Amino acid sequence: QVQLQESGPGLVKPSQTLSLTCTVSGGSISSGDYYWSWIRQPPGKGLEWIGYIYYSGSTYYNPSLKSRVTISVDTSKNQFSLKLSSVTAADTAVYYCARDNLGYCSSTSCLPGEFDPWGQGTLVTVSS
Amino acid sequence: AIRMTQSPSSFSASTGDRVTITCRASQGISSYLAWYQQKPGKAPKLLIYAASTLQSGVPSRFSGSGSGTDFTLTISCLQSEDFATYYCQQYYSYPPVFGPGTKVDIK
Repeated sequence: QVQLQESGPGLVKPSQTLSLTCTVSGGSISSGDYYWSWIRQPPGKGLEWIGYIYYSGSTYYNPSLKSRVTISVDTSKNQFSLKLSSVTAADTAVYYCARDNLGYCSSTSCLPGEFDPWGQGTLVTVSS
Repeated sequence: AIRMTQSPSSFSASTGDRVTITCRASQGISSYLAWYQQKPGKAPKLLIYAASTLQSGVPSRFSGSGSGTDFTLTISCLQSEDFATYYCQQYYSYPPVFGPGTKVDIK
């Protein structure tokens, strides 16, 4: 069964770049049947989708974060990564990676679907 | 972006109760809706997708219904392990959006 595990620094200074990696085990990120997403949850608050990547490298980001987000994939390591630039205290959150089942598909592309499974999450605090 | 609301935001219930949580979308989303359960300190867990399809391994006391803008999650007989926060999520259009959550705690 597929498992995901986030890794990266738990403390980032304001204005710097947050960098996290998600390692996928028990399945190949290159299967082509899924998107691979990042989702975050500020302490005590709700869930916010950040963006996804397909094994080919195509991405889609939440417009609310698009200017600061980069998601990349390393199929040789079965990993995908998140970079969030110019962070502030508002970016303090638990960051989750998740497999994204493809949703509605047209002839050219698929929307993201539901998320399953999720990694355990990693808390990133933005503070000087 | 589509906005999701949930009601109630929280409530107390007893083991054995039948409970219903409502999720509403700001525009029609067909059946592109998922439900998740989250316990403190844990990642969300997928319960239901396509509005009413039970995820493999999820107990049958959980059920989902609805289409368009109004959806419900029902737990037919609340168990101790069901006390948690529940989120709905639309995936009809970009970006995927979650509801604000409904916390179910012990009466």
